[in-house]
Amino acid sequence: GQNIDQPTEMTATEGAIVQINCTYQTSGFNGLFWYQQHAGEAPTFLSYNVLDGLEEKGRFSSFLSRSKGYSYLLLKELQMKDSASYLCAVLYNFNKFYFGSGTKLNVKP
Amino acid sequence: EPEVTQTPSHQVTQMGQEVILRCVPISNHLYFYWYRQILGQKVEFLVSFYNNEISEKSEIFDDQFSVERPDGSNFTLKIRSTKLEDSAMYFCASSSGTPNRQAFFGQGTRLTVV
Repeated sequence: GQNIDQPTEMTATEGAIVQINCTYQTSGFNGLFWYQQHAGEAPTFLSYNVLDGLEEKGRFSSFLSRSKGYSYLLLKELQMKDSASYLCAVLYNFNKFYFGSGTKLNVKP
Repeated sequence: EPEVTQTPSHQVTQMGQEVILRCVPISNHLYFYWYRQILGQKVEFLVSFYNNEISEKSEIFDDQFSVERPDGSNFTLKIRSTKLEDSAMYFCASSSGTPNRQAFFGQGTRLTVV
């Protein structure tokens, strides 16, 4: 539901920077979250944006433009352990999280 | 650090049987959720629960499913008459609602219907 779109898969090199984009329907929007999910494990929280702009947390940053229905997750100084799926999730109407299909990130040596 | 716990970690059941998946949310949280993830697919919203009642449910959450908060700590998902296509990871999550509303996930129950 809610047409949350993100690329299916991306590949990047260890030490590089990668940007994962997410677009979503804006009606009822109450916040956007990025989660990391390793295969067979639960999603773990990375970041939260509710206002426009960039939120930085160590090697990870997340950007939001509410008017455009657009966010990105920026990962710097990539490490092999960053290989995982990155899930964009949007909170609608204060009580429902919808997830995108996830972007599988492959980090190469 | 407080965490959401789910039991069992893996459940195998025969088609047509009923299963109950159990979750203990973080103690001061107010919003509770169930999600499922079929192998290789996206995380899908099933239901949200607030103030002892369902606040939202998806089209997946039909009469086969029900949720309950039988006491102050547990939050359960019951699946009646299981089908093969119910095989998935089921994640429970909880949220405090403030200040930033993120959902914390349990480690999931892998349900296999045979």
